[in-house]
Amino acid sequence: SVLTQPPSVSGAPGQRVTISCTGSSSNIGAGYAVHWYQQFPGTAPKVLSYDNDNRPSGVPDRFSGSKSGTSASLAITGLQAEDEAYYYCQSYDSSLSNSVFGGGTKLTVL
Amino acid sequence: EVQLVESGGGLVKPGGSLRLSCEASGFTFGTYSMNWVRQAPGKGLEWVSSISSSSSYIYYADSVKGRFTISRDNAKNSLFLQMHSLKAEDTAVYYCARGTGSGYQMLWGYSDYWGQGTLVTVSS
Repeated sequence: SVLTQPPSVSGAPGQRVTISCTGSSSNIGAGYAVHWYQQFPGTAPKVLSYDNDNRPSGVPDRFSGSKSGTSASLAITGLQAEDEAYYYCQSYDSSLSNSVFGGGTKLTVL
Repeated sequence: EVQLVESGGGLVKPGGSLRLSCEASGFTFGTYSMNWVRQAPGKGLEWVSSISSSSSYIYYADSVKGRFTISRDNAKNSLFLQMHSLKAEDTAVYYCARGTGSGYQMLWGYSDYWGQGTLVTVSS
């Protein structure tokens, strides 16, 4: 994937975890916005963070997006069992002239 | 309530064709860009195609360019994906999603509402 995510992350209930999304100068580093989605198996993705660090209404403030340089991150604080899911970042790549997704990260709550 | 309902998926042989539809309700369809995103079994999300609100701008992923055609009928609140020359690697759940971007910059936006998806299986 053009955007690189760790395949998996894990944390205990109540802990804080971060999921990274590493891009390049043709996508995140070029200033294009990063968006984050949460997906449970067998269901459609749901947006968690948009335009780098904005949270849609209804999304708990435990979820927060950030961006710096050629990378972005999704932080989840106060980890809960129901947060166990797959998480994807998305941005635009000017070299490909395509919207691109990261490979996805599976979050396991221990 | 925004609703997106895909249909048209199924089993098709390699080289065959299929037309997916997405019926939208709960919002003014003709004012939003729309996207198709797919997910192969056990794999991640892959952007497929996007169309602007008035169909003035259309984009495709390289993997489907020349084989897939996206279109919309704003009068019928419907989005379509015509797929030709299907390959085994096109096997996936295809999601219809509402876009937040507009015009030629629509690919910079995100998808705020998604359908439940329709499964396309390409196999002999």
